[in-house]
Amino acid sequence: ELKVEQNPLFLSMQEGKNYTIYCNYSTTSDRLYWYRQDPGKSLESLFVLLSNGAVKQEGRLMASLDTKARLSTLHITAAVHDLSATYFCAVEETSGSRLTFGEGTQLTVNP
Amino acid sequence: GAVVSQHPSRVICKSGTSVKIECRSLDFQATTMFWYRQFPKKSLMLMATSNEGSKATYEQGVEKDKFLINHASLTLSTLTVTSAHPEDSSFYICSAIARGYSNQPQHFGDGTRLSIL
Repeated sequence: ELKVEQNPLFLSMQEGKNYTIYCNYSTTSDRLYWYRQDPGKSLESLFVLLSNGAVKQEGRLMASLDTKARLSTLHITAAVHDLSATYFCAVEETSGSRLTFGEGTQLTVNP
Repeated sequence: GAVVSQHPSRVICKSGTSVKIECRSLDFQATTMFWYRQFPKKSLMLMATSNEGSKATYEQGVEKDKFLINHASLTLSTLTVTSAHPEDSSFYICSAIARGYSNQPQHFGDGTRLSIL
């Protein structure tokens, strides 16, 4: 059974600081996704990582994938309040198959 | 971009009522749709995978007779919560994979918040 673990689960940081969220998974896969969820809302797709060494950046967020280590990271640069949300990583075992989600990281960025 | 519409967005009903939730892909054909359930401050848990024209595949522990899934066309899947009880109250989210675009992320609907009194 595929397991996906995120850490930290809760992250409170100051504006302007940098931090990294980690996502470990238990089985071979080269398909990993990052999503953002605001309170009461559904999921917003952030990044699609489909190969070892993939790196994607959008604004203050950068995601990477190391399939050998079974690890993905979501790096936050110079955080701003608008980034406050819950971030989920999700692993897809094969193309077009089910997603297994991590527990989510609740990020709060304080002024 | 690919849009998935979920309806209704919120339902409040009495215990014992059956509730139907629709998930539509508005601008693409979806060979596969997924139904997830999310409790407050928890992650998404897959309930079932729905393929057009065939029976849904349910995850372990999900009652097939309670959560009826129908995927009658390439643009519509429905989830019916039968004889709903307060413990069925949750946030239900569907997602869809566009036909021929398996390297794209699943497209999520806006979710349905179900409250059973």
